[in-house]
This record gives sequence, structure tokens and C-alpha cells, in this order.
Amino acid sequence: AQKVTQAQTEISVVEKEDVTLDCVYETRDTTYYLFWYKQPPSGELVFLIRRNSFDEQNEISGRYSWNFQKSTSSFNFTITASQVVDSAVYFCALSEFTTDSWGKLQFGAGTQVVVTP
Amino acid sequence: GAGVSQSPSNKVTEKGKDVELRCDPISGHTALYWYRQSLGQGLEFLIYFQGNSAPDKSGLPSDRFSAERTGGSVSTLTIQRTQQEDSAVYLCASSFGLAGGGLNEQFFGPGTRLTVL
Repeated sequence: AQKVTQAQTEISVVEKEDVTLDCVYETRDTTYYLFWYKQPPSGELVFLIRRNSFDEQNEISGRYSWNFQKSTSSFNFTITASQVVDSAVYFCALSEFTTDSWGKLQFGAGTQVVVTP
Repeated sequence: GAGVSQSPSNKVTEKGKDVELRCDPISGHTALYWYRQSLGQGLEFLIYFQGNSAPDKSGLPSDRFSAERTGGSVSTLTIQRTQQEDSAVYLCASSFGLAGGGLNEQFFGPGTRLTVL
């Protein structure tokens, strides 16, 4: 069963618009970590953020912000005032404490963000 | 410092041949992971090495796949008798694992694109 769902396959925006990427996860564990990674056209996965299940504080880093809500099992990601350089595929990932390999990432299908000038 | 490196960057092989893919993790990282990325399956976990513990091979798709990590550093992923469905980008990642009381983020290499003709 898919543990991480990214329902949006592709989002297209015009530069300076805000874009929100949805991530819904499924786990029975009380201890887990969530991650977001960016994969630009060059192909290399770039780490963006890590959040553990005990820390529901939202986080802002420059134009990026994340909203973690355990009540809805969601960890959404917003890019404010998007730029062309934000064009990439964004992946949400889950790591569960009670899996045999605590640490392995279970990825969503990814959301392609296209920012046009 | 240097990131995760992988070689070769591209590999074209004929069906039935064996291939070896190499990963050099970030120095000091105790955990090393292999994933693969294909159009049909997305990003899939393959195998995980943590320190001197026995590796978790639960993600390997068949017994044609194997991996080793020598001296706690460099890792080699071997695919025997390659099939066309093995065509994918093979990604290696490393991290500090569970050091510091939490799960650390993984840093990914550029990947090896494998094409099986």
C-alpha cells in the first residue's frame, strides 16, 4: 500500500505566484520522520527539510514553508513568490520507526512544478 | 566537502550481462542506501547498510541483485543477468543514520542511468 500520497501530478504557475504541494502519509507508528526533496532537471535529489512526528511546528525557510498537521496526516509544502528556478519535481518521503530498516525512505510519486516567466 | 559520488554515470548493457554500480558516500557517514528510480515504479528503496550491522535487503527485487559495502565506506551494487526491466536510474545516498538521537537526512548522489538493451 502506498504510504505517501502526492495527489498532484503536475502544477503549473506563473512566476511570483504561490504554489502549495500536498503530501498525505499513512502510518501506525507514533515515531516517524517526514522529508521533502527537490529533483531539478539535472536529476540530483536535494534535501529540503526533515520533520519528526513529535514536532508539529511549522517551518519557514526563505520562500519555502511547511505545514505539518498530524490530525490530517499531512505535511504540505508552499513555495511563496515562485521563481523559474523552482521548476523541479518535489518528493515527500516517510521513514517509520518500526519498519525493519528504520531510516529507509518511502517516497511519494512526486509533483512536477513548472514555473513560467 | 565532497558529496556522494557514483560511477559510472551512464551504463548501457546487453540483456543477460552483469553490471556493477559503485557508490562513494560522504566521508564519516555511517549509513548508506540504494534506491532506484524508474518511470513506472517511482523511487524505490533497495538496500540499506548501517555501520557494521547486517544490511537490510528487503527492497531488492530479485536474487539477481546484491550489494556489498567494503570497509564501511564504498558500496557496489551488482545486477546479474540483467533484464530490460532493470533499466532505471540507480541512486545512492548516505547519512549519519541515527547519530545525535534522531534520524538524519540522506544526501543523494547523481545516480547511474542503466539501460539494458
